[in-house]
Amino acid sequence: GAVVSQHPSWVICKSGTSVKIECRSLDFQATTMFWYRQFPKQSLMLMATSNEGSKATYEQGVEKDKFLINHASLTLSTLTVTSAHPEDSSFYICSAKTNRDGQQYFGPGTRLTVL
Amino acid sequence: EDQVTQSPEALRLQEGESSSLNCSYTVSGLRGLFWYRQDPGKGPEFLFTLYSAGEEKEKERLKATLTKKESFLHITAPKPEDSATYLCAARSGSARQLTFGSGTQLTVLP
Repeated sequence: GAVVSQHPSWVICKSGTSVKIECRSLDFQATTMFWYRQFPKQSLMLMATSNEGSKATYEQGVEKDKFLINHASLTLSTLTVTSAHPEDSSFYICSAKTNRDGQQYFGPGTRLTVL
Repeated sequence: EDQVTQSPEALRLQEGESSSLNCSYTVSGLRGLFWYRQDPGKGPEFLFTLYSAGEEKEKERLKATLTKKESFLHITAPKPEDSATYLCAARSGSARQLTFGSGTQLTVLP
């Protein structure tokens, strides 16, 4: 199958620090990866689309300087939340689109809590 | 603008009580209607993709159908382990990303 992993699965940090979340496609190559944010009892909100080797495309209202995305290889994308604040606390989910069939598979998510 | 609306927001069923979840969509040039299951604290798990009106797909107790305006996820004789949030998403011809509905939280009581 197509497996996507995320690390860490949860993180607690102090306000003002930066947090990096990794998203890996374990058994397939993904030219395109997506980062979503999900608040409790709400659906997934797309934050940005990342393409390997190029700059990410951010959705309207998402600060690109705050949410840094790097897609350095066909199997790894990272999201860095810079100078995190309590309002950044959320569930962050990545997904990777397979090149072979275009299906989108999701990681298990990362719970970020900013104190 | 692409829109996906799911109903009901929440559904409680007794074990064995069949029902359907609805997903209405407005997209230009549908390139896929997707169903996912999401358990609390986890990422969505892919269930089905439907591409054209009239298409149906089945997996165990679940069957997804598609018309030109909506999709249904039929659950036959559900079990408590089917309890989860079911998400519907659509991809339009011009978009690379999925547009998600708000989900239906399904609870199946033993």
